[in-house]
Amino acid sequence: DAMVIQNPRYQVTQFGKPVTLSCSQTLNHNVMYWYQQKSSQAPKLLFHYYDKDFNNEADTPDNFQSRRPNTSFCFLDIRSPGLGDAAMYLCATSRDTQGVLEQYFGPGTRLTVT
Amino acid sequence: DQQVKQNSPSLSVQEGRISILNCDYTNSMFDYFLWYKKYPAEGPTFLISISSIKDKNEDGRFTVFLNKSAKHLSLHIVPSQPGDSAVYFCAATFFGGATNKLIFGTGTLLAVQP
Repeated sequence: DAMVIQNPRYQVTQFGKPVTLSCSQTLNHNVMYWYQQKSSQAPKLLFHYYDKDFNNEADTPDNFQSRRPNTSFCFLDIRSPGLGDAAMYLCATSRDTQGVLEQYFGPGTRLTVT
Repeated sequence: DQQVKQNSPSLSVQEGRISILNCDYTNSMFDYFLWYKKYPAEGPTFLISISSIKDKNEDGRFTVFLNKSAKHLSLHIVPSQPGDSAVYFCAATFFGGATNKLIFGTGTLLAVQP
């Protein structure tokens, strides 16, 4: 089955220690998104890639970076995690940004910062 | 500033009855709305959507109603089944926008009692 896969499902990191979350997709979609969802809050878009074009949301902290080495993979790098970065991180894909609005989500990575 | 609001954090209904989940939005420029369903330990999955040119869209047991003047939409599930127990997210976007950015509500936890 075509799908969006996120690894690891649970990640524990120490305050200030860089961490990388991984997302892969078998849907061959052009667009990949990263959302942050804190407890009892709405998922919030951090950034997205259209092919290799990176699009950052205006209010995404500089602490968050992303890489997309190829169509299938996208990484979220948190350079110096703070306690406030503990959240569920959701990766999503869509075929395009125009006309097709459905996004396909992975199961998420729950990040704990100690 | 929460542009999409789901004011009921939870809802409990009996199996076979109707479930009505509500969503309000503040940005009148939104012109496309989606409902996502999320089971524990899984990512959100697309359920149903509606364009602002319509006031109703139906798919099997699921119907979404849009009231543009009130900036309100609702999801009706009839009849409700125990397998419908999940968190339901309302999302809004701008059809034809540059990024296909989804603005989510905080979700409503639906519990369908057998």
